[in-house]
Amino acid sequence: SQKIEQNSEALNIQEGKTATLTCNYTNYSPAYLQWYRQDPGRGPVFLLLIRENEKEKRKERLKVTFDTTLKQSLFHITASQPADSATYLCALDSSNTGKLIFGQGTTLQVKP
Amino acid sequence: DAGVIQSPRHEVTEMGQEVTLRCKPISGHNSLFWYRQTMMRGLELLIYFNNNVPIDDSGMPEDRFSAKMPNASFSTLKIQPSEPRDSAVYFCASSLGVGSYNEQFFGPGTRLTVL
Repeated sequence: SQKIEQNSEALNIQEGKTATLTCNYTNYSPAYLQWYRQDPGRGPVFLLLIRENEKEKRKERLKVTFDTTLKQSLFHITASQPADSATYLCALDSSNTGKLIFGQGTTLQVKP
Repeated sequence: DAGVIQSPRHEVTEMGQEVTLRCKPISGHNSLFWYRQTMMRGLELLIYFNNNVPIDDSGMPEDRFSAKMPNASFSTLKIQPSEPRDSAVYFCASSLGVGSYNEQFFGPGTRLTVL
């Protein structure tokens, strides 16, 4: 069956460290993978998109990798700050129709 | 731009009542999506429209749910009759077009509680 898996346990790290979140998928062949941030009581906010032929994408302190062989994406936040504390969702397209399938999300807590 | 607008922000109703959720997408966006989020099931796509036409409603749980998009600036999601298991946060999102390379812009959500 098709599955998208993100760490269900919260990730707690110290300010200044690099946070690494994982998104694994099975029985999908996505052309694109997106990452969103969601704060409590708010809708998800788009962060980054990576294409299947891109290995890595960066935006300021954020970095996303996409390994279609491993069927995995890693999301990194360098020099993490307490303001980075939120839930991070990965989403992939099932057929390049705009129909995104979301993972359950991983909650990141950055402690000062 | 005000972003995606949803109303109401909170809705409390009794089982069996009709519930209508409303969404105004970002002006110029051609695609509109309705999602439901619960702790158990996460964020699920219910239905999406492109140029006001429903493209995929395979996520709509059952016939009690219906969605319309009468014009480019307005969409509704209706639940009739509502049941306690429909309690969730419902999000509307819009994007420039169809294609998974488009980022989606989410509204603030409607928190629905069915007693």
